[in-house]
Amino acid sequence: EAQVTQNPRYLITVTGKKLTVTCSQNMNHEYMSWYRQDPGLGLRQIYYSMNVEVTDKGDVPEGYKVSRKEKRNFPLILESPSPNQTSLYFCASSLEAGAYEQYFGPGTRLTVT
Amino acid sequence: DAKTTQPPSMDCAEGRAANLPCNHSTISGNEYVYWYRQIHSQGPQYIIHGLKNNETNEMASLIITEDRKSSTLILPHATLRDTAVYYCIVSTKTSYDKVIFGPGTSLSVIP
Repeated sequence: EAQVTQNPRYLITVTGKKLTVTCSQNMNHEYMSWYRQDPGLGLRQIYYSMNVEVTDKGDVPEGYKVSRKEKRNFPLILESPSPNQTSLYFCASSLEAGAYEQYFGPGTRLTVT
Repeated sequence: DAKTTQPPSMDCAEGRAANLPCNHSTISGNEYVYWYRQIHSQGPQYIIHGLKNNETNEMASLIITEDRKSSTLILPHATLRDTAVYYCIVSTKTSYDKVIFGPGTSLSVIP
């Protein structure tokens, strides 16, 4: 089944404790991206990647890192999480760059205390 | 800067057609109109997209005005499972820039 998976789905952590949210797709898609969703602010893009070893900042990249060492994986790294990074995070992929039929993962709800 | 304007909320009776409008008056010639929906806290789901012509698939129809400054997503027979936030997005097909999801329209399908 074609899908985007994220892990963990739920995470509660403390300020400053490094964490990684994994994202994997099995569709051989070139383009992957990360979004965060907050009440009243909608979906905002954090980082995106057009292909292996090619990443770029989206709207709200501060406090996040990403890497794209393999085509299928696009982990989101929070080196020193802060409470303002409490949010619902979505990973997405598409065959090519842009909004063309993006496939979204199920989401990761992160709480930083 | 959002490129689209949508009403914040709409209601629709179950079984009736839901018509969701979107204004995109600054759309450029190579930009497509895409529609996604998000059912409560799940990942957004692609619905349909179009450039100039009207489009239809198993989920919905997309009607784009001749001047391309606005469009309407039509769910022909709305069900309770269509209750969701619907996002209208304009983007080139190979846009490498940030993809902008505005606040969307919260559609409530009422029994």
